[in-house]
Amino acid sequence: KNQVEQSPQSLIILEGKNCTLQCNYTVSPFSNLRWYKQDTGRGPVSLTIMTFSENTKSNGRYTATLDADTKQSSLHITASQLSDSASYICVVRGNQGGKLIFGQGTELSVKP
Amino acid sequence: GAVVSQHPSRVICKSGTSVKIECRSLDFQATTMFWYRQFPKQSLMLMATSNEGSKATYEQGVEKDKFLINHASLTLSTLTVTSAHPEDSSFYICSASASPPGRSSYEQYFGPGTRLTVT
Repeated sequence: KNQVEQSPQSLIILEGKNCTLQCNYTVSPFSNLRWYKQDTGRGPVSLTIMTFSENTKSNGRYTATLDADTKQSSLHITASQLSDSASYICVVRGNQGGKLIFGQGTELSVKP
Repeated sequence: GAVVSQHPSRVICKSGTSVKIECRSLDFQATTMFWYRQFPKQSLMLMATSNEGSKATYEQGVEKDKFLINHASLTLSTLTVTSAHPEDSSFYICSASASPPGRSSYEQYFGPGTRLTVT
């Protein structure tokens, strides 16, 4: 069964600190992998999107990495801000049918 | 660019009534629109996929007669929850896919969501 698993489920960090979120997937064949930020009560907003040939992609303080061989991705947040508090969702698009397969998300809380 | 809007953002309705949620792509033409449902502390679950001018394709376990989807134009899709029950209370999110100018052709843009509460 195609799955996307994220860890940790939740994370609390202090403002200004860095953190890394993990995503493992078993979707095959694989088209692309996305990271979304979802604020409470809002729709997901795209942070990065990577195809299998891309190893890293940055968007401001967000840097995503992808290892298509081990089927792992990470999202690194640098110098966290209070506004980074949200759910971060790893989403994989498979080649078959093109549907997005969502991870359960990591709930990040940045404390002052 | 690539903005997707939903209306209303919040709706409360009585059990047994129907409620319609609109999803619009504001600055591009969406050939495909998706409807998701999200329960608290859970991830998005795809309910159905609709292409403009054709019938929606529903995911397994989603009642097509209860969740009516209309994609009458390239910028508008509607989801109607018929005979709503308290268990239909959820966060409904639409998404649109197309090729806005200057954007990736395989991007999928999400709306802000609609909070439905059935009393």
